[in-house]
Amino acid sequence: AQSVTQLGSHVSVSEGALVLLRCNYSSSVPPYLFWYVQYPNQGLQLLLKYTTGATLVKGINGFEAEFKKSETSFHLTKPSAHMSDAAEYFCAVSDTDSGYSTLTFGKGTMLLVSP
Amino acid sequence: KAGVTQTPRYLIKTRGQQVTLSCSPISGHRSVSWYQQTPGQGLQFLFEYFSETQRNKGNFPGRFSGRQFSNSRSEMNVSTLELGDSALYLCASSPRPGGTEAFFGQGTRLTVV
Repeated sequence: AQSVTQLGSHVSVSEGALVLLRCNYSSSVPPYLFWYVQYPNQGLQLLLKYTTGATLVKGINGFEAEFKKSETSFHLTKPSAHMSDAAEYFCAVSDTDSGYSTLTFGKGTMLLVSP
Repeated sequence: KAGVTQTPRYLIKTRGQQVTLSCSPISGHRSVSWYQQTPGQGLQFLFEYFSETQRNKGNFPGRFSGRQFSNSRSEMNVSTLELGDSALYLCASSPRPGGTEAFFGQGTRLTVV
């Protein structure tokens, strides 16, 4: 069974500061890993994904994440926060062997950006 | 290319009633998955459909059901609504099962009173 743990339900940063959102996963097979963002009353938008290959993944809006197998982590970073980054972020894992599209999500981290 | 369309966006129903939600996937996508999002439980997988067949089901009671039509549009139905069914229901489409990218609709906000 897969699981995802996001450390910190809320993270507060100042505009221009580094954003770091933490995600650890548990999977019995090599995982596919995803970060999604959700704005109020909206669906989920894919930020980036890791499937195979390069462990440093670049996504939209200046975000990137690094897959570290030894630490079972997939933390999301952005060098400089912008006010428009304020939203809820979800880390998700998908089982590569199942042939299904099922995503297992973390509980989410609300990113607060202050001026 | 149009995105995933979910209708209606908002619904208010009374306990005991039933409700049907609709999802039109991205053109050409044949896999549709449904998720329930609540503040307490977060995002939970309901079921996945591909080519009109349910391929996978989450841990939800039988009151939750779904189907997929030949044009890939999907509906989910919840019968005998309970207060705890109040949630945002999200639909995601993928080109095929086991794909590495799921595109989500804006969701249907269901409130049970």
